[in-house]
Amino acid sequence: AQSVSQHNHHVILSEAASLELGCNYSYGGTVNLFWYVQYPGQHLQLLLKYFSGDPLVKGIKGFEAEFIKSKFSFNLRKPSVQWSDTAEYFCAVNARSGNTPLVFGKGTRLSVIA
Amino acid sequence: DGGITQSPKYLFRKEGQNVTLSCEQNLNHDAMYWYRQDPGQGLRLIYYSQIVNDFQKGDIAEGYSVSREKKESFPLTVTSAQKNPTAFYLCASSFGTEATNEKLFFGSGTQLSVL
Repeated sequence: AQSVSQHNHHVILSEAASLELGCNYSYGGTVNLFWYVQYPGQHLQLLLKYFSGDPLVKGIKGFEAEFIKSKFSFNLRKPSVQWSDTAEYFCAVNARSGNTPLVFGKGTRLSVIA
Repeated sequence: DGGITQSPKYLFRKEGQNVTLSCEQNLNHDAMYWYRQDPGQGLRLIYYSQIVNDFQKGDIAEGYSVSREKKESFPLTVTSAQKNPTAFYLCASSFGTEATNEKLFFGSGTQLSVL
């Protein structure tokens, strides 16, 4: 079974600071990897996903994530955060083979202050 | 306007009572899911269904039941056997079951509280 570990429960940054949220997964086979975001009062929505090809994936709103297979990691990055990035971020994984549902990490709450 | 509709937005349950949370989608998605969200716990899978009249248990299915009689609908019943039902419940759907990299579309959630 897959599992996902997000290292930070709550991150507080000033506007324009750089962001990196850690995500490690546990699974021996090939995986699909996702980052979802939940803005205050809004639905969870997909930020970006990786399933094959270039391990550096670009998503919406200037976010990107890099899949490092040797480290079982899929960290989320943004060079310069804005106040509007305040949200909860969830990393998720599922096995590439077989119709397995997503397994989510516990989430990281990001607070961006002016 | 396509999407996933969850109702009600807030629900209160008395001791020993079963309650049912509604989830309807008009996206023509095959797969539907129920997750439970608790503070600091992320999303945990309760049940999922990949096709009508079929569903599978997730990681925390005990105390819950579901049905999938129609493609559009996937109601979740929280039974009296669920001893800690207070949580935020999220319904989701995805387009296909063959391509496991399909993204999930989420509803707006139901907050269930125990009286």
